Amino acid sequence: VHLLESGGGLVQPGGSLRLSCAASGFIFTTYAMSWVRQAPGKGLEWVSGITGNGGSTYYADSVQGRFTISRDNSKNTLYLQMNSLRAEDTALYYCAKEMGITYDAFDIWGQGTMVTVSS
Amino acid sequence: DIQMTQSPSTLSASVGDRVTITCRASQSVSGWLAWYQQKPGRAPKLLIYTASNLQSGVPSRFSGSGSGTEFTLTISSLQPDDFATYYCQQYNSYLLTFGGGTKVEIK
Repeated sequence: VHLLESGGGLVQPGGSLRLSCAASGFIFTTYAMSWVRQAPGKGLEWVSGITGNGGSTYYADSVQGRFTISRDNSKNTLYLQMNSLRAEDTALYYCAKEMGITYDAFDIWGQGTMVTVSS
Repeated sequence: DIQMTQSPSTLSASVGDRVTITCRASQSVSGWLAWYQQKPGRAPKLLIYTASNLQSGVPSRFSGSGSGTEFTLTISSLQPDDFATYYCQQYNSYLLTFGGGTKVEIK
C-alpha cells in the first residue's frame, strides 16, 4: 500500500498549484481520502476530504472556496487544486487514506509534497 | 468545529517510564478518536483508532482509552524508539480536527 504525492513547489501569493497523489496496493474507490498539511515546525491540519465515490467533498474553513479536492478512480489518483494561495498555505501537504468509505482515521500516509507561497 | 486540546504539550521522561497523554474534545466525539506518532522528517503513523483499538503492527505497550470528550494514550514502558510527537484526531464528523501535539522528550 503506497501513496505518492507530487506537484508541490514555490508559487507567488495569489497563484495556483495542483497537487496529485498516486495510490497503489489497495482498492482505491473503496476508501475516502484526505489532504492534511503541516506548516514548518507546526502541528497537523486537516485540509480537505472526499468520499470513496467522489460524491461528497469537505473542506476546512481556512481553504473553503479556494481549494478543490477531486479524485479519478480510474487512475487511482487524488488531486488538490489550490487557487488564490496565501503565505499561510505554506506547508508540507500529505495525502492520507482513510480506513473507511467516509470520515475515518488515517491508516496510510504519503511522504508529503512541499508547497511554499512566497514572492 | 470540534476543538481538540492535548496535554501536556511537552513531556520529559526516561526509558522505562509509564507515560500518559490526555486529549479533550470541545464536544462529544463518541469513540471516534485516533492517535498518531510522528518523528522528525517522517509522516505520521497511526497507533490507535476508535479510541482503544491498536493498529496492526503497533507494539502492545501503546494503549488508548476514553469516550465522549476525554481520552488518554498510555505508553506502559517508554522505549528509545518512542521519543516523538503524538497527536490525537477526532473523526466524529467532518471537519476532522487534530490536537496540537505532545512532544515526548528524553529526560
